[in-house]
Amino acid sequence: QKEVEQNSGPLSVPEGAIASLNCTYSDRGSQSFFWYRQYSGKSPELIMSIYSNGDKEDGRFTAQLNKASQYVSLLIRDSQPSDSATYLCAVTRGGSNYKLTFGKGTLLTVNP
Amino acid sequence: NAGVTQTPKFQVLKTGQSMTLQCAQDMNHNSMYWYRQDPGMGLRLIYYSASEGTTDKGEVPNGYNVSRLNKREFSLRLESAAPSQTSVYFCASSSRLAGETQYFGPGTRLLVL
Repeated sequence: QKEVEQNSGPLSVPEGAIASLNCTYSDRGSQSFFWYRQYSGKSPELIMSIYSNGDKEDGRFTAQLNKASQYVSLLIRDSQPSDSATYLCAVTRGGSNYKLTFGKGTLLTVNP
Repeated sequence: NAGVTQTPKFQVLKTGQSMTLQCAQDMNHNSMYWYRQDPGMGLRLIYYSASEGTTDKGEVPNGYNVSRLNKREFSLRLESAAPSQTSVYFCASSSRLAGETQYFGPGTRLLVL
């Protein structure tokens, strides 16, 4: 079983729509959860971190965490063409509060 | 602050050659990491250093060695490069004070012929 799984994608949404990116993880001991954005040819950059159950909002981005279901998601409201990128879900490993396991990423395209 | 820097940006090697990828961070982070990223495989941890003076293997350590030279610098060495090591290599750093968020360098593209 893969440790961190994301929507296989690619995901295509029109400009102004809500983009929903999903991630499930297998390690119940995981404590910290991160969403990174990676533009083609660039390095990953942090979008959101979330550590407790519920929602966390930052501008147009909302991260949702449900530890019982081992599920974390990222919603992007009012999607813009500049949001077109690969989104990586990353989860700390149980027993380690700093080593991350990354999903393979979901490619998002926002069409003007 | 420059954040995390990596050199070189791009390198071509012949099979069997050796090279060292350099990484430095100016954020006073304790932990540093080396990843490789291949199409369809995501980011995979090669080696990490939880703190100055310690290093440990990640998921894919074979063919690599590392040195945590001091708190700022963490290098990755390929002793005898193989075509399977063609990849993009990212260095990252983190600290407990920053919620263990990992910050990435710009990457090194390595092509082994």
